[in-house]
Amino acid sequence: AQRVTQPEKLLSVFKGAPVELKCNYSYSGSPELFWYVQYSRQRLQLLLRHISRESIKGFTADLNKGETSFHLKKPFAQEEDSAMYYCALSGLGSGAGSYQLTFGKGTKLSVIP
Amino acid sequence: DAGVTQSPTHLIKTRGQQVTLRCSPISGHKSVSWYQQVLGQGPQFIFQYYEKEERGRGNFPDRFSARQFPNYSSELNVNALLLGDSALYLCASSLWGQGFNEQFFGPGTRLTVL
Repeated sequence: AQRVTQPEKLLSVFKGAPVELKCNYSYSGSPELFWYVQYSRQRLQLLLRHISRESIKGFTADLNKGETSFHLKKPFAQEEDSAMYYCALSGLGSGAGSYQLTFGKGTKLSVIP
Repeated sequence: DAGVTQSPTHLIKTRGQQVTLRCSPISGHKSVSWYQQVLGQGPQFIFQYYEKEERGRGNFPDRFSARQFPNYSSELNVNALLLGDSALYLCASSLWGQGFNEQFFGPGTRLTVL
C-alpha cells in the first residue's frame, strides 16, 4: 500500500529563516513525488515535482530513495509562503496519462513577520 | 478560461439521502478525477475518468459512483449518505497521454451530512 506521511501539522518560522517541510513515503515501486500548495482562499495547485528538479518560488525538494523522503526546503521564508502544503505521490507506470495521487495530511506553514 | 468549475459550492443533506456533484473540466482536458477531503486530512482519491471510461478507483464503497459525459464533464454520486461522508469534494482535470499530465483542481463542493 502506498502512504505519505507529513509529521508536522503546523510549522511556524520567522521571516528570513530557513524552512523545511518533511515528507516520508511508502511505496513498493518507483513513485513520482509532488508538492502541492494551497494559499488562503485559493485552489490546490502543484508547486513542484521531483522529476523536474526545478526551484519554484525558491522552494526545492530532493527525492531520497534510501530514506524514502521528499522534504521541501527554502533557505529564506517569506510571508507570502504562508499556506497549506501537501506532499503527494503517484505510482509511475499507472497507465498512460494516469496520475492517481496519494496525499499526506498536510502541513500548515505560518511565516511570522 | 475559468479553470475547473464545480457545482454546487455548498450542500447540506441528511443521512440516507443521495447527492450528485458536478464538475466541468478545463477546455481541452479529457480526464477528470475526484477526491474527497475530510477536515484535517489530505485529499483522498475516489475516481479517475477518461473518455467516459473509469480508469481508476480508490478505496471507497459502492455507494460512490461517477460518470463522464461526451463533453468531458463529470458527476459524482453518493447514495445512502452517512455522517462520515461530510467533506470537501474536489474535482481535478488534466490532459491525457504519455508522460506527466498536471491535474488542475477545482474549488470543491462542501458537503455536510446531518
